[in-house]
Amino acid sequence: SQTIHQWPATLVQPVGSPLSLECTVEGTSNPNLYWYRQAAGRGLQLLFYSVGIGQISSEVPQNLSASRPQDRQFILSSKKLLLSDSGFYLCAWSAIRDRMFFGSGTQLSVL
Amino acid sequence: DQQVKQNSPSLSVQEGRISILNCDYTNSMFDYFLWYKKYPAEGPTFLISISSIKDKNEDGRFTVFLNKSAKHLSLHIVPSQPGDSAVYFCAASDGSYNFNKFYFGSGTKLNVKP
Repeated sequence: SQTIHQWPATLVQPVGSPLSLECTVEGTSNPNLYWYRQAAGRGLQLLFYSVGIGQISSEVPQNLSASRPQDRQFILSSKKLLLSDSGFYLCAWSAIRDRMFFGSGTQLSVL
Repeated sequence: DQQVKQNSPSLSVQEGRISILNCDYTNSMFDYFLWYKKYPAEGPTFLISISSIKDKNEDGRFTVFLNKSAKHLSLHIVPSQPGDSAVYFCAASDGSYNFNKFYFGSGTKLNVKP
């Protein structure tokens, strides 16, 4: 069966510090991978998606970047965090049109 | 421009009664519709989906109805249980892309009262 791992669960970082969130998927190959963010009291905003290794598309201009160094690994990064980067970050994967599976999420607080 | 809308931010229902969560969309290229349930500080959990060629899909206590002419779908939960209290997101998959692109609504917080 397929599983998705996302870590860390909680992160508190000072403004201006770097960020690296990691996500890995097991039990499938060549999945579509996604990074979403849920700001407090808001819906899910698609940040990045990837259809293959090294292929990254950005949905919104922002202070973040993403990379896919391996087929089932997706990384969300920032060189310098802003206060507005605070939120709940979700990694997800999909291989079929009617299904997407999410990781457990990372609560990021930038202080 | 939000292509998937959930206009009710919250809903309160008595245990044992029916919960009806609504969702509207604008893009006629959407070919699959999904519902997710989310608890605080957790990832959304997939509940049920429906293809655009169907008008109803059931899975236990959960039924999703699709009205393509009105561009409207709804999730019925019968009977509602306190454990159903969570935020529910509807999502739609856009068939015009070469990958699985999903659009999400803003969510409806369901509170099932004992």
